Amino acid sequence: QSVVTQPPSVSGAPGQRVTISCTGSSSNIGAGYDVHWYQQLPGTAPQLLIYSNNNRPSGVPDRFSGSKSGTSASLAITGLQAEDEADYYCQSYDSNLDSVVFGGGTKVTVL
Amino acid sequence: QVQLVESGGGVVQPGRSLRLSCEVSGFTFSNYAMHWVRQAPGKGLEWVAVISYDGSKKDYADSVKGRFTISRDNSKNMLYVQMNSLRAEDTAVYYCARDYGYYDKLDYWGQGTLVTVSS
Repeated sequence: QSVVTQPPSVSGAPGQRVTISCTGSSSNIGAGYDVHWYQQLPGTAPQLLIYSNNNRPSGVPDRFSGSKSGTSASLAITGLQAEDEADYYCQSYDSNLDSVVFGGGTKVTVL
Repeated sequence: QVQLVESGGGVVQPGRSLRLSCEVSGFTFSNYAMHWVRQAPGKGLEWVAVISYDGSKKDYADSVKGRFTISRDNSKNMLYVQMNSLRAEDTAVYYCARDYGYYDKLDYWGQGTLVTVSS
């Protein structure tokens, strides 16, 4: 059981907007630690998608955006495309555990 | 370009040991902390361990503490994890990843190596 929780799945039609929540607590996201997001395409290694809550590495389309408020963070995908079908993970640091923590992952399905 | 290549995975019996390696290139290895992250079949990502840029600080997940040891050789651009007393629940793909700071974003990942613990 992860200390940061994500919905197991979200889905949307091509062109739609979907959001993925990442809910933590006062010892991780709520303590001000940054949230990072990773995309894992089927059969591949995770790749950094959003860092430090709302920043995109070079090469990541601006369809992907991140936000953070209180003990939660969100990843939004606008203009959903078939190639966005993947698993998405949030990551932060937890001061009680003194460790990196990952959310359980969210599978995005394009209908 | 930045590359991380894991090796050393395979099938091992419960209670035995295995050492994984991660060879890096394309950046100054000695400037970065490094992590091991694993993913059991069909499951999510689980953080395993981190080592500071100079090897002076190491931290472990509770699930592997006392059994796994992370290490590095900056002269060879190599990261390692020694896994002892392996259990069936250690079966996973193991990824090495570069940390931009320490407990910061993991900005580059290897392709992973599969460890299967089975009798």
